[in-house]
Amino acid sequence: GDQVKQSPSALSLQEGTNSALRCNFSIATTTVQWFLQNPRGSLMNLFYLVPGTKENGRLKSTFNSKESYSTLHIRDAQLEDSGTYFCAAPTGGNNKLTFGQGTVLSVIP
Amino acid sequence: AQTIHQWPVAEIKAVGSPLSLGCTIKGKSSPNLYWYWQATGGTLQQLFYSITVGQVESVVQLNLSASRPKDDQFILSTEKLLLSHSGFYLCAWSSRDWGNYAEQFFGPGTRLTVL
Repeated sequence: GDQVKQSPSALSLQEGTNSALRCNFSIATTTVQWFLQNPRGSLMNLFYLVPGTKENGRLKSTFNSKESYSTLHIRDAQLEDSGTYFCAAPTGGNNKLTFGQGTVLSVIP
Repeated sequence: AQTIHQWPVAEIKAVGSPLSLGCTIKGKSSPNLYWYWQATGGTLQQLFYSITVGQVESVVQLNLSASRPKDDQFILSTEKLLLSHSGFYLCAWSSRDWGNYAEQFFGPGTRLTVL
């Protein structure tokens, strides 16, 4: 089964509203990364988390290792937030980063 | 600051033809290097990783091979392309100092179309 599950798979947000994306892990993991992939394909690093919370501007992310999930909160969504959000966690001992299936976010005016 | 460069930006190749994709990282000595593949509309899948020159570990084969000829260079290649090789190839690096759980940083990617 999927070791890293993201939800929702797609999301449409009105500009200025808030939302949360979620990542559930079926394996124990010590860190989580969140990325935003733009339409050209470039992956931008958003957060690298150990258990706890980080905030950067309108984005906030929490990683709860005991309950095996992570969330990414988007506040006051802007058009430039559109893209595909991926979470990823190291699985196995080969420096292997396993990605979720992604959440396609569309912010509409 | 570290920069990661991939070449070419895009390729259109025929089935059965050879392929070589490159990745160079500047500003970081002895990085861990990785190749990922992404099908159109899909997620990323790690293919190979390397912790040092001349040493490459395969995670998923996909009839591809990888080499690390220099500390700052990672090459992905095959002698015979398949239609299933189409997709987006990303190179990534992480600091060896942080071991298995280091943050990974990605290059701009190469888009490959096999016809």
